[in-house]
Amino acid sequence: SQTIHQWPATLVQPVGSPLSLECTVEGTSNPNLYWYRQAAGRGLQLLFYSVGIGQISSEVPQNLSASRPQDRQFILSSKKLLLSDSGFYLCAWSIAGVAEQFFGPGTRLTVL
Amino acid sequence: KQEVTQIPAALSVPEGENLVLNCSFTDSAIYNLQWFRQDPGKGLTSLLLIQSSQREQTSGRLNASLDKSSGRSTLYIAASQPGDSATYLCAVAGGATNKLIFGTGTLLAVQP
Repeated sequence: SQTIHQWPATLVQPVGSPLSLECTVEGTSNPNLYWYRQAAGRGLQLLFYSVGIGQISSEVPQNLSASRPQDRQFILSSKKLLLSDSGFYLCAWSIAGVAEQFFGPGTRLTVL
Repeated sequence: KQEVTQIPAALSVPEGENLVLNCSFTDSAIYNLQWFRQDPGKGLTSLLLIQSSQREQTSGRLNASLDKSSGRSTLYIAASQPGDSATYLCAVAGGATNKLIFGTGTLLAVQP
């Protein structure tokens, strides 16, 4: 069966510090991968998606970037965090060509 | 631009009641619609997926319907239980890349 992992589970970072959040999927090959953010009082917003290694599409202009160095690894990064980067970050995967999307447990990021 | 709305924003019912959650979307050209459940501080759990060619899907006490022409979906929960208390999210995908656009959710509380 497939599982998706995210770490860390929670993170508190000062403004201006770097960020690296990691997501890995087990039990499948060549998944589509997605990063979403859920900000307080706002809905879930798609940030990035990837259909293969090194292939990243950005949905909204922002202070963040994503990378996919391996087939089942998806990383969300920032060089300098802003207060507005605070939120709940969720990674998701789906089988290419299959609609259902599955989510990880999330990372709660607080920028102070 | 696709917009997804969920009504009501919050709902409180006594245990045992049947209930309906509503989701509407502005662009009927969707690829699929997915219903999720989110417990506080947790990731999303997929409940039901309806392909654009389908009218409804059922899983246990849950039944989701889709009317593309009117831009509506409903999630019917039969014989509600306190364990059903959570936020319910609907999301639509507009293409094969399965990028999801989420509604703002309905917070459900089932009182014992």
